[in-house]
Amino acid sequence: AQSVTQLGSHVSVSEGALVLLRCNYSSSVPPYLFWYVQYPNQGLQLLLKYTSAATLVKGINGFEAEFKKSETSFHLTKPSAHMSDAAEYFCAVSPFGAGGGADGLTFGKGTHLIIQP
Amino acid sequence: NAGVTQTPKFQVLKTGQSMTLQCAQDMNHEYMSWYRQDPGMGLRLIHYSVGAGITDQGEVPNGYNVSRSTTEDFPLRLLSAAPSQTSVYFCASSYSDPSTDTQYFGPGTRLTVL
Repeated sequence: AQSVTQLGSHVSVSEGALVLLRCNYSSSVPPYLFWYVQYPNQGLQLLLKYTSAATLVKGINGFEAEFKKSETSFHLTKPSAHMSDAAEYFCAVSPFGAGGGADGLTFGKGTHLIIQP
Repeated sequence: NAGVTQTPKFQVLKTGQSMTLQCAQDMNHEYMSWYRQDPGMGLRLIHYSVGAGITDQGEVPNGYNVSRSTTEDFPLRLLSAAPSQTSVYFCASSYSDPSTDTQYFGPGTRLTVL
């Protein structure tokens, strides 16, 4: 069963516009949720993570995400896109909560963010 | 700190050849993992380790072997390369359980099997 779904393999926004990348998950217990970013020809790095504290999580580079249990969502947003935000973004979920280990973490298929000048 | 390092960055193999992808970290992390990244597939876990001497299989382990003799190193071995193993391989490490803790990724190895 799929644990995480990222809607849209490619998202294109204009520079200065709102960025919204969607992530929905399935979990039978309170999950742990992550957003990772991959810049061209680089490894992944953590943007932000939700670990059952505040539902609104602030990350690096002006990104934030809100955990909505009722919608099983963890969408990533940024108020104003910058050219340097062009990258691949991955949502990851630990659907079994803490203690799942490396094999308890599932990555989404990724969303490629394109910034139009 | 160098973080997570991977060698080589690029590699071309012929079907049936063997090779080892190297991964090292200098952060004294107990947890290390190998992922492969294929277009439209996201990241898939190959093997992982929770400490020196302890390894286990992930989602796609067939055709790959690992060992963890030290905390720092976690090499991935391809015993007999196949075209289906053409991919980008990432090594990652974390201080504690990666289902809750931040993983640090290496820059990747791009492997082509002809």
